[in-house]
Amino acid sequence: LAKTTQPISMDSYEGQEVNITCSHNNIATNDYITWYQQFPSQGPRFIIQGYKTKVTNEVASLFIPADRKSSTLSLPRVSLSDTAVYYCLVGPNQAGTALIFGKGTTLSVSS
Amino acid sequence: NAGVMQNPRHLVRRRGQEARLRCSPMKGHSHVYWYRQLPEEGLKFMVYLQKENIIDESGMPKERFSAEFPKEGPSILRIQQVVRGDSAAYFCASSPPGPNEKLFFGSGTQLSVL
Repeated sequence: LAKTTQPISMDSYEGQEVNITCSHNNIATNDYITWYQQFPSQGPRFIIQGYKTKVTNEVASLFIPADRKSSTLSLPRVSLSDTAVYYCLVGPNQAGTALIFGKGTTLSVSS
Repeated sequence: NAGVMQNPRHLVRRRGQEARLRCSPMKGHSHVYWYRQLPEEGLKFMVYLQKENIIDESGMPKERFSAEFPKEGPSILRIQQVVRGDSAAYFCASSPPGPNEKLFFGSGTQLSVL
């Protein structure tokens, strides 16, 4: 499984756009990139998933360059409630493989 | 469609006792995963199961820990002879069959060993 590297922590203010970049230099051809969000005392929650280029949903956008060695999660206009840990995962597109979480990025949003 | 249900939410055990953590996956989900999280740390994969089969237990300690996902009923993570170092949050996740399916997590069981 490809190893991922992301910043340990980030700080932001309400209303700003936040971009969290994840490096995955050893990503394989059939690997997808998935981001999860975790609030204290709760299980992680799926945010977004992509394979290449750009994916957007009602919560976030995911930018993946052509070489796929990194990806950037973009959160538009964050609020205090976006304070959480964000995990970047890379995994093969096949059943039977457990997803491995790293330490994630702790995002702190202040007013 | 109820989410992934874990119980109990909090479990207190004394050293040497057994802990049983239960996880009912979402309806239609046949894959179950168990993760452990220590304070201020990320989630550590423990075991991945399908109905009546252990697919990957590479993250499970070799002794005292076991997991099952029977044909009927919830998945059980069992910790025998608990020690203080077992104190952690244990999260269960489920996913439908098929490749590249996202995980749905429960709210976790906080195990405290006195």
